[in-house]
Amino acid sequence: NAGVTQTPKFQVLKTGQSMTLQCAQDMNHNSMYWYRQDPGMGLRLIYYSASEGTTDKGEVPNGYNVSRLNKREFSLRLESAAPSQTSVYFCASSWAKGSTNSPLHFGNGTRLTVT
Amino acid sequence: AQTVTQSQPEMSVQEAETVTLSCTYDTSESNYYLFWYKQPPSRQMILVIRQEAYKQQNATENRFSVNFQKAAKSFSLKISDSQLGDTAMYFCAFMKVGSEKLVFGKGTKLTVNP
Repeated sequence: NAGVTQTPKFQVLKTGQSMTLQCAQDMNHNSMYWYRQDPGMGLRLIYYSASEGTTDKGEVPNGYNVSRLNKREFSLRLESAAPSQTSVYFCASSWAKGSTNSPLHFGNGTRLTVT
Repeated sequence: AQTVTQSQPEMSVQEAETVTLSCTYDTSESNYYLFWYKQPPSRQMILVIRQEAYKQQNATENRFSVNFQKAAKSFSLKISDSQLGDTAMYFCAFMKVGSEKLVFGKGTKLTVNP
């Protein structure tokens, strides 16, 4: 099993450019998440999707949009990239919300630099 | 809102020794879960150990154990017989029962020296 797969692994954008980060999981999980990790800040939730067809804002949603394309895939879009969005982005999934029996499984992250 | 505090930005330990990483949290909830995640240089986030707040017994996973003090809102991680592969960032995290949101601390960078 591949688990949670993110693409690309690295990306450099210029200010104002757009891009989509892709995430797919093969564990039949219901919930999917996007986090960003900044030095000294830990991980912060951007958006999440509790099930196919639903999405909700997390702690830091501004400047991002998401799409839960199907049960497997959850994409994160930056419409107009800003230097403040330079970060490492993690996708994660879990079978169900809020349970120790359903911990988050993370992808390997995407390092995004906006110049 | 819940907050998670890891007061030790960096720690080091000699191989085969024991080290304890600290974590405190602030919440008004009574039902919640606590987690420790490990992030090695490969960047992948790996679940180390988990604890349900309603359980008084401290969780253990091989060389990893926790000291959960609910009244003090403390959740420390003890690593016994430290190995070089334990070198990583360690994140403490909190989740309210039924919530989608995992709240992370800022992390502790642990280095295991040979």
